[in-house]
Amino acid sequence: KQEVTQIPAALSVPEGENLVLNCSFTDSAIYNLQWFRQDPGKGLTSLLLIQSSQREQTSGRLNASLDKSSGRSTLYIAASQPGDSATYLCAVHSNSGYALNFGKGTSLLVTP
Amino acid sequence: GAGVSQSPRYKVTKRGQDVALRCDPISGHVSLYWYRQALGQGPEFLTYFNYEAQQDKSGLPNDRFSAERPEGSISTLTIQRTEQRDSAMYRCASSVASGDSYEQYFGPGTRLTVT
Repeated sequence: KQEVTQIPAALSVPEGENLVLNCSFTDSAIYNLQWFRQDPGKGLTSLLLIQSSQREQTSGRLNASLDKSSGRSTLYIAASQPGDSATYLCAVHSNSGYALNFGKGTSLLVTP
Repeated sequence: GAGVSQSPRYKVTKRGQDVALRCDPISGHVSLYWYRQALGQGPEFLTYFNYEAQQDKSGLPNDRFSAERPEGSISTLTIQRTEQRDSAMYRCASSVASGDSYEQYFGPGTRLTVT
C-alpha cells in the first residue's frame, strides 16, 4: 500500500522567505503526483501536477520537483506572502489503482 | 466554467438515520471519485466511477456505504444507519479520465456530523 509522508507537519515563516515542503512516498510505480492547497472550510485547490515522466513543474512562485526513483517530491515557494498561509497536501496516483493517496499535509503560516 | 459542486455543504443527522450526499462533476469529466477526510488527515479514497460503472469500491469502509452514478454524471454517496464515527468531510473529485496526465479537481465537500 502506498504510504505518503509530509515533512514538516507545520511551518511558520516571516513574509518574503523562500521555503521548501517535502513529500515522500514508498512505491515508485506512480502515474503522477499532485500538490494541493487546502484553506479552512473550503475545497482542495490543485496547484501542480507532475507526470511520472517529468522532473518538475512551475507555476508562478511555485516549483515542484519529482524524483521518482527515490520516492521524493518537493514544493518550493518563492518570496512567501501571508496569502500563502494554508495547508499543503501532496497526493500520489499509483499505477496500481485509481485513487490519490494523500499525505497528512503541511500547515503553513506566513506572518507579515 | 463551473467546478465540481457538492450538496448539501453541511449535514447534521441523528445516529441511525440515512443520509445521501450529492456530487455534480465538471461537465465532460468521465471519472468521478469519492474521498473522506478526517480532521488533521489527508483525504482517503472511498470509490471510483468511470462513466456510470463503479470500477473500484475498495475504500468503502463497510456495507452501510454505497454509491451510484446512474447516468454517468451526478453521483450520490449514501450512508445507511449512520454512526458517530461516520462524521467527517466527504469530498468528491472529477477528472477528464484516469491516468498520468489527468488532474483531479475537488469540490468544496460536505461536512457530515452525526449526533
